[in-house]
Amino acid sequence: EPEVTQTPSHQVTQMGQEVILRCVPISNHLYFYWYRQILGQKVEFLVSFYNNEISEKSEIFDDQFSVERPDGSNFTLKIRSTKLEDSAMYFCASEKSPDTQYFGPGTRLTVL
Amino acid sequence: GQNIDQPTEMTATEGAIVQINCTYQTSGFNGLFWYQQHAGEAPTFLSYNVLDGLEEKGRFSSFLSRSKGYSYLLLKELQMKDSASYLCAVYNQGGKLIFGQGTELSVKP
Repeated sequence: EPEVTQTPSHQVTQMGQEVILRCVPISNHLYFYWYRQILGQKVEFLVSFYNNEISEKSEIFDDQFSVERPDGSNFTLKIRSTKLEDSAMYFCASEKSPDTQYFGPGTRLTVL
Repeated sequence: GQNIDQPTEMTATEGAIVQINCTYQTSGFNGLFWYQQHAGEAPTFLSYNVLDGLEEKGRFSSFLSRSKGYSYLLLKELQMKDSASYLCAVYNQGGKLIFGQGTELSVKP
């Protein structure tokens, strides 16, 4: 069964550094999402992406964040200058049409 | 505003039935999802309701009443592996999921 994959599984970085989180959505899916979950808190929407552009973004998704689909398979989330409060689990999700989003295993980002 | 409420935690016995409730008030509504999340893992899809009524899928059923802003997830014949967090999420316009805090279910022998 096809699944969403994410790399790396765990990323440790210093405050102020740039990080790129990578996702490979399910191959015939058209809608892509990033969510984050701070430890012990709820899953929060960051951004949705369709047809090579951002469809919607939350107030969390400020100028430090960007997304890209550089080729036909990868979907990336870049954080330009990480802050301590960016430490969280980041989940990528994809869907074929607007009905069911399938989540990747997540990348645990630790900012020191 | 966006508000999704579900109980923080519940405990049930192996073999029993448990109902996890969710109430929501959101600015848009295109359906309601239930996800299961084990600690440190990704949410996994359980059910999707867009119309009022009950959707049954094996040991899991989900109910929706749009007029009441209410849903529940029913788990039957509980197993120890069902111990997890259960997330209620409203599917909003634009395709984003708005999650509740999650209900931590503990299944005891």
